[in-house]
Amino acid sequence: GAVVSQHPSRVICKSGTSVKIECRSLDFQATTMFWYRQFPKQSLMLMATSNEGSKATYEQGVEKDKFLINHASLTLSTLTVTSAHPEDSSFYICSARHPYNSPLHFGNGTRLTVT
Amino acid sequence: GQQLNQSPQSMFIQEGEDVSMNCTSSSIFNTWLWYKQDPGEGPVLLIALYKAGELTSNGRLTAQFGITRKDSFLNISASIPSDVGIYFCAGQLGAGNNRKLIWGLGTSLAVNP
Repeated sequence: GAVVSQHPSRVICKSGTSVKIECRSLDFQATTMFWYRQFPKQSLMLMATSNEGSKATYEQGVEKDKFLINHASLTLSTLTVTSAHPEDSSFYICSARHPYNSPLHFGNGTRLTVT
Repeated sequence: GQQLNQSPQSMFIQEGEDVSMNCTSSSIFNTWLWYKQDPGEGPVLLIALYKAGELTSNGRLTAQFGITRKDSFLNISASIPSDVGIYFCAGQLGAGNNRKLIWGLGTSLAVNP
Protein backbone atom coordinates (compact mmCIF):
# COMPACT_ATOMS: atom_id res chain seq x y z
CA GLY A 1 0.00 0.00 0.00
CA ALA A 2 0.88 3.67 -0.18
CA VAL A 3 3.59 4.67 2.28
CA VAL A 4 4.18 8.15 3.61
CA SER A 5 7.34 8.76 5.59
CA GLN A 6 7.79 11.69 7.94
CA HIS A 7 11.01 12.86 9.56
CA PRO A 8 11.96 13.55 12.26
CA SER A 9 9.56 11.70 14.52
CA ARG A 10 10.48 13.85 17.47
CA VAL A 11 12.29 17.17 17.81
CA ILE A 12 13.06 19.48 20.70
CA CYS A 13 14.19 22.99 19.93
CA LYS A 14 14.76 26.24 21.68
CA SER A 15 12.42 29.16 21.39
CA GLY A 16 13.30 31.37 18.46
CA THR A 17 14.85 28.67 16.31
CA SER A 18 13.36 27.14 13.16
CA VAL A 19 12.52 23.51 12.62
CA LYS A 20 12.04 21.68 9.33
CA ILE A 21 9.85 18.61 9.01
CA GLU A 22 10.00 16.41 5.91
CA CYS A 23 7.23 14.37 4.37
CA ARG A 24 8.00 11.87 1.65
CA SER A 25 5.81 9.63 -0.43
CA LEU A 26 7.90 6.50 -0.74
CA ASP A 27 6.23 4.49 -3.46
CA PHE A 28 4.17 7.00 -5.37
CA GLN A 29 4.19 10.54 -6.67
CA ALA A 30 2.06 12.99 -4.79
CA THR A 31 1.19 16.27 -6.46
CA THR A 32 -0.66 17.25 -3.33
CA MET A 33 0.22 16.70 0.30
CA PHE A 34 -1.58 17.92 3.38
CA TRP A 35 -0.19 19.16 6.68
CA TYR A 36 -2.15 18.67 9.87
CA ARG A 37 -1.66 19.70 13.46
CA GLN A 38 -3.04 17.78 16.40
CA PHE A 39 -3.27 18.85 20.02
CA PRO A 40 -3.52 16.24 22.80
CA LYS A 41 -6.83 14.40 22.88
CA GLN A 42 -8.13 16.36 19.91
CA SER A 43 -8.87 15.67 16.30
CA LEU A 44 -6.68 16.56 13.34
CA MET A 45 -6.69 20.16 12.18
CA LEU A 46 -5.78 20.86 8.58
CA MET A 47 -3.13 23.57 8.37
CA ALA A 48 -2.37 23.74 4.68
CA THR A 49 -2.47 21.98 1.35
CA SER A 50 0.91 21.62 -0.30
CA ASN A 51 0.95 21.63 -4.10
CA GLU A 52 3.99 20.53 -6.08
CA GLY A 53 5.48 23.39 -8.02
CA SER A 54 3.17 26.06 -6.66
CA LYS A 55 2.32 27.91 -3.48
CA ALA A 56 0.65 26.14 -0.63
CA THR A 57 -2.92 26.89 0.30
CA TYR A 58 -3.30 27.75 3.96
CA GLU A 59 -6.38 27.29 6.09
CA GLN A 60 -7.92 30.28 7.78
CA GLY A 61 -6.02 31.31 10.87
CA VAL A 62 -2.76 29.59 9.89
CA GLU A 63 0.12 32.02 9.42
CA LYS A 64 1.88 31.28 6.16
CA ASP A 65 5.00 33.18 7.22
CA LYS A 66 5.15 31.14 10.40
CA PHE A 67 4.62 27.76 8.79
CA LEU A 68 6.57 27.70 5.54
CA ILE A 69 5.69 24.92 3.15
CA ASN A 70 7.78 23.84 0.20
CA HIS A 71 6.75 21.09 -2.20
CA ALA A 72 9.73 21.02 -4.53
CA SER A 73 9.28 17.53 -5.93
CA LEU A 74 6.56 14.98 -6.47
CA THR A 75 7.77 12.96 -3.49
CA LEU A 76 8.78 15.58 -0.94
CA SER A 77 7.03 18.32 0.97
CA THR A 78 8.59 20.20 3.87
CA LEU A 79 7.06 22.21 6.67
CA THR A 80 9.31 24.72 8.42
CA VAL A 81 8.16 26.18 11.70
CA THR A 82 9.95 29.51 11.82
CA SER A 83 10.94 31.29 15.01
CA ALA A 84 9.29 28.59 17.06
CA HIS A 85 7.62 29.41 20.36
CA PRO A 86 6.36 27.10 23.10
CA GLU A 87 2.79 27.47 21.83
CA ASP A 88 3.94 25.86 18.55
CA SER A 89 4.61 22.65 20.46
CA SER A 90 2.30 20.07 18.96
CA PHE A 91 2.03 16.91 16.90
CA TYR A 92 2.40 17.64 13.18
CA ILE A 93 1.26 15.06 10.66
CA CYS A 94 1.55 15.03 6.89
CA SER A 95 -0.53 13.06 4.45
CA ALA A 96 -0.72 12.29 0.77
CA ARG A 97 -3.11 10.60 -1.62
CA HIS A 98 -2.38 7.96 -4.27
CA PRO A 99 -3.67 7.29 -6.81
CA TYR A 100 -6.00 10.10 -7.87
CA ASN A 101 -9.11 8.88 -6.07
CA SER A 102 -7.60 6.96 -3.19
CA PRO A 103 -8.04 7.98 0.45
CA LEU A 104 -5.40 9.89 2.38
CA HIS A 105 -2.46 8.04 3.88
CA PHE A 106 -0.61 9.59 6.78
CA GLY A 107 2.94 9.81 7.97
CA ASN A 108 3.80 8.82 11.53
CA GLY A 109 3.84 12.38 12.74
CA THR A 110 6.42 14.67 14.30
CA ARG A 111 6.25 15.61 17.95
CA LEU A 112 7.62 19.15 18.25
CA THR A 113 8.54 20.48 21.66
CA VAL A 114 9.71 24.09 21.91
CA THR A 115 11.45 24.98 25.15
CA GLY B 1 -13.82 24.56 11.35
CA GLN B 2 -16.52 22.09 10.51
CA GLN B 3 -16.44 18.79 12.38
CA LEU B 4 -18.47 15.64 12.39
CA ASN B 5 -20.50 14.39 15.35
CA GLN B 6 -18.76 11.21 16.43
CA SER B 7 -20.01 9.05 19.27
CA PRO B 8 -19.34 7.70 21.72
CA GLN B 9 -16.44 9.88 22.82
CA SER B 10 -14.89 6.98 24.70
CA MET B 11 -15.55 3.33 25.43
CA PHE B 12 -14.18 0.89 27.96
CA ILE B 13 -15.02 -2.71 27.14
CA GLN B 14 -14.04 -6.25 27.97
CA GLU B 15 -11.96 -8.28 25.56
CA GLY B 16 -14.23 -10.26 23.28
CA GLU B 17 -17.04 -7.73 23.25
CA ASP B 18 -18.31 -6.09 20.10
CA VAL B 19 -17.93 -2.33 19.61
CA SER B 20 -20.00 0.12 17.63
CA MET B 21 -19.32 3.79 16.93
CA ASN B 22 -20.86 6.24 14.50
CA CYS B 23 -20.54 9.60 12.87
CA THR B 24 -23.23 11.97 11.70
CA SER B 25 -23.17 15.17 9.74
CA SER B 26 -25.48 17.87 8.52
CA SER B 27 -23.64 17.76 5.19
CA ILE B 28 -23.65 15.14 2.48
CA PHE B 29 -20.35 13.42 1.77
CA ASN B 30 -19.24 11.40 -1.23
CA THR B 31 -16.74 9.37 0.76
CA TRP B 32 -16.55 8.18 4.35
CA LEU B 33 -13.29 7.03 5.88
CA TRP B 34 -12.42 5.38 9.16
CA TYR B 35 -8.96 5.68 10.68
CA LYS B 36 -7.30 4.36 13.81
CA GLN B 37 -4.59 6.30 15.61
CA ASP B 38 -2.22 4.81 18.17
CA PRO B 39 -0.48 7.13 20.66
CA GLY B 40 2.33 9.12 19.08
CA GLU B 41 1.62 7.88 15.57
CA GLY B 42 -0.25 9.04 12.53
CA PRO B 43 -3.73 7.75 11.65
CA VAL B 44 -3.92 4.48 9.76
CA LEU B 45 -6.71 3.89 7.27
CA LEU B 46 -9.07 1.09 8.28
CA ILE B 47 -11.94 1.27 5.81
CA ALA B 48 -12.94 3.56 2.93
CA LEU B 49 -16.55 3.83 1.76
CA TYR B 50 -17.47 5.38 -1.57
CA LYS B 51 -21.14 4.66 -2.17
CA ALA B 52 -24.31 5.32 -0.19
CA GLY B 53 -25.47 2.11 1.43
CA GLU B 54 -22.11 0.42 0.98
CA LEU B 55 -21.16 -2.10 3.65
CA THR B 56 -17.48 -3.01 3.77
CA SER B 57 -15.50 -5.33 6.00
CA ASN B 58 -11.83 -5.49 6.89
CA GLY B 59 -11.25 -8.51 9.11
CA ARG B 60 -13.18 -7.96 12.31
CA LEU B 61 -14.12 -4.44 11.26
CA THR B 62 -17.26 -3.54 9.37
CA ALA B 63 -18.32 -0.08 8.28
CA GLN B 64 -21.31 1.28 6.41
CA PHE B 65 -21.94 4.41 4.39
CA GLY B 66 -25.39 5.66 5.38
CA ILE B 67 -28.14 5.83 2.78
CA THR B 68 -28.64 9.54 3.42
CA ARG B 69 -24.87 10.07 2.89
CA LYS B 70 -24.83 11.98 6.16
CA ASP B 71 -23.72 9.22 8.47
CA SER B 72 -21.51 6.16 8.86
CA PHE B 73 -20.86 3.54 11.48
CA LEU B 74 -17.95 1.29 12.36
CA ASN B 75 -18.32 -2.02 14.15
CA ILE B 76 -15.52 -4.07 15.68
CA SER B 77 -16.36 -7.64 16.53
CA ALA B 78 -14.71 -9.74 19.22
CA SER B 79 -12.42 -6.98 20.43
CA ILE B 80 -8.83 -7.74 21.40
CA PRO B 81 -6.31 -5.67 23.40
CA SER B 82 -4.58 -4.36 20.28
CA ASP B 83 -7.82 -2.66 19.24
CA VAL B 84 -7.01 -0.01 21.83
CA GLY B 85 -6.60 3.41 20.28
CA ILE B 86 -8.51 6.37 18.97
CA TYR B 87 -10.83 5.86 16.04
CA PHE B 88 -11.64 8.76 13.76
CA CYS B 89 -14.27 9.08 11.09
CA ALA B 90 -13.75 11.48 8.22
CA GLY B 91 -16.06 12.65 5.49
CA GLN B 92 -14.74 13.83 2.18
CA LEU B 93 -16.19 16.78 0.32
CA GLY B 94 -15.79 17.85 -3.25
CA ALA B 95 -13.73 16.44 -6.07
CA GLY B 96 -10.27 16.78 -7.46
CA ASN B 97 -6.93 16.38 -5.81
CA ASN B 98 -7.48 19.17 -3.30
CA ARG B 99 -10.67 17.78 -1.82
CA LYS B 100 -10.62 17.98 1.96
CA LEU B 101 -11.54 15.77 4.84
CA ILE B 102 -13.88 16.78 7.64
CA TRP B 103 -12.99 14.92 10.82
CA GLY B 104 -14.88 13.57 13.78
CA LEU B 105 -13.52 14.22 17.25
CA GLY B 106 -12.59 10.60 17.75
CA THR B 107 -13.69 7.63 19.84
CA SER B 108 -11.17 6.47 22.41
CA LEU B 109 -11.35 2.71 22.88
CA ALA B 110 -9.95 0.88 25.88
CA VAL B 111 -10.09 -2.91 26.07
CA ASN B 112 -9.79 -4.75 29.33
CA PRO B 113 -8.04 -8.10 28.80
